[in-house]
Amino acid sequence: GAVVSQHPSWVICKSGTSVKIECRSLDFQATTMFWYRQFPKQSLMLMATSNEGSKATYEQGVEKDKFLINHASLTLSTLTVTSAHPEDSSFYICSARPRVNSYEQYFGPGTRLTVT
Amino acid sequence: AQSVTQPDIHITVSEGASLELRCNYSYGATPYLFWYVQSPGQGLQLLLKYFSGDTLVQGIKGFEAEFKRSQSSFNLRKPSVHWSDAAEYFCASQGAQKLVFGQGTRLTINP
Repeated sequence: GAVVSQHPSWVICKSGTSVKIECRSLDFQATTMFWYRQFPKQSLMLMATSNEGSKATYEQGVEKDKFLINHASLTLSTLTVTSAHPEDSSFYICSARPRVNSYEQYFGPGTRLTVT
Repeated sequence: AQSVTQPDIHITVSEGASLELRCNYSYGATPYLFWYVQSPGQGLQLLLKYFSGDTLVQGIKGFEAEFKRSQSSFNLRKPSVHWSDAAEYFCASQGAQKLVFGQGTRLTINP
């Protein structure tokens, strides 16, 4: 149980285009989903927290107009990188928390984004 | 501010040897603590967690960790490592608002 999927697993896009990454909780409902970014050989950095049906809360320094997050249902959150540039190339990982007052997060397998 | 420190960036051990990965946390209240493992290009897999109770917690793949409040530590141990344990290991602390990760420790296994 508690499986989180991400799609696509890797994507290459051209500079200036937008790309959407999906995060799905497959066997549970996620009240909260999180988006992380990981650079090579570095730790995970939280980008934003999203609750179903409400606006995402972005961490300091994360451009909310560039990284659009939508949490439309209790099983799906999407991250759209708008007008992507090479410096946006990274490994993006989502996680999902099954219910309020839970301290566990279940992580997706990650999405490798390369912007050329 | 909440923080997690993993002092060792890279550790190399021989297959069959014992392992200890260090983790120190900084948080006012009792934190919820986790150890995750990440293989290259993959997501995170939870090894074990500590919320309360017995300070020695058992996890998957033969790992255990001990919570020591006096030392603000939550070190991960394994009595005998296998080549398949080579990976990146992250300690994390759940505070009031978010999960904070340490910098990670890369484990290399010598045959």
